[in-house]
Amino acid sequence: NAGVTQTPKFQVLKTGQSMTLQCAQDMNHEYMSWYRQDPGMGLRLIHYSVGAGITDQGEVPNGYNVSRSTTEDFPLRLLSAAPSQTSVYFCASWKGATGELFFGEGSRLTVL
Amino acid sequence: DAKTTQPPSMDCAEGRAANLPCNHSTISGNEYVYWYRQIHSQGPQYIIHGLKNNETNEMASLIITEDRKSSTLILPHATLRDTAVYYCIVNPTLYSGAGSYQLTFGKGTKLSVIP
Repeated sequence: NAGVTQTPKFQVLKTGQSMTLQCAQDMNHEYMSWYRQDPGMGLRLIHYSVGAGITDQGEVPNGYNVSRSTTEDFPLRLLSAAPSQTSVYFCASWKGATGELFFGEGSRLTVL
Repeated sequence: DAKTTQPPSMDCAEGRAANLPCNHSTISGNEYVYWYRQIHSQGPQYIIHGLKNNETNEMASLIITEDRKSSTLILPHATLRDTAVYYCIVNPTLYSGAGSYQLTFGKGTKLSVIP
């Protein structure tokens, strides 16, 4: 099993550009989420989804959009990139009701 | 408000047991204790979780005090590959209806395993 796959692994953007971080899981998990991690910090939740067609905001949602059209995919869209969005982004999916998250390897984004 | 308190860093000799403490004095009755770790800059990895009984799996043991106000993660024979940041998290289960979709990761404990 591939688990949780994130693309791209690295990306450099200019301020104002838009882009989409892709996340796909092949474990048939209902729940998926996006976190960001800044240097020396813990992970902060951006958006999450409890199933296809259902999304909600986390702790730091501003500047990001998400949609969930299929169980497998949960893309994160940056509408107009800002230097403050320079970070490492992690996608995760949840196993059942136990709170066991499976994380992707991360997408490292730099906004100039 | 932080739900958990962990020491920022710890050292452990290779081959010895690593005991990582966590205080969660305000834990509620429906909240579980979860442990994750993050090796270098990889995605966090689930280790173990428990409610009130001690738990053991192939990676670690989790000891929860009787009053549930603190817990200890034990790596029985630490190796260099266990060098990582370890996160202790308290959270209701996903189906408890108590806003449990947000696992809150603090700064964790940076464990360094020394050769």
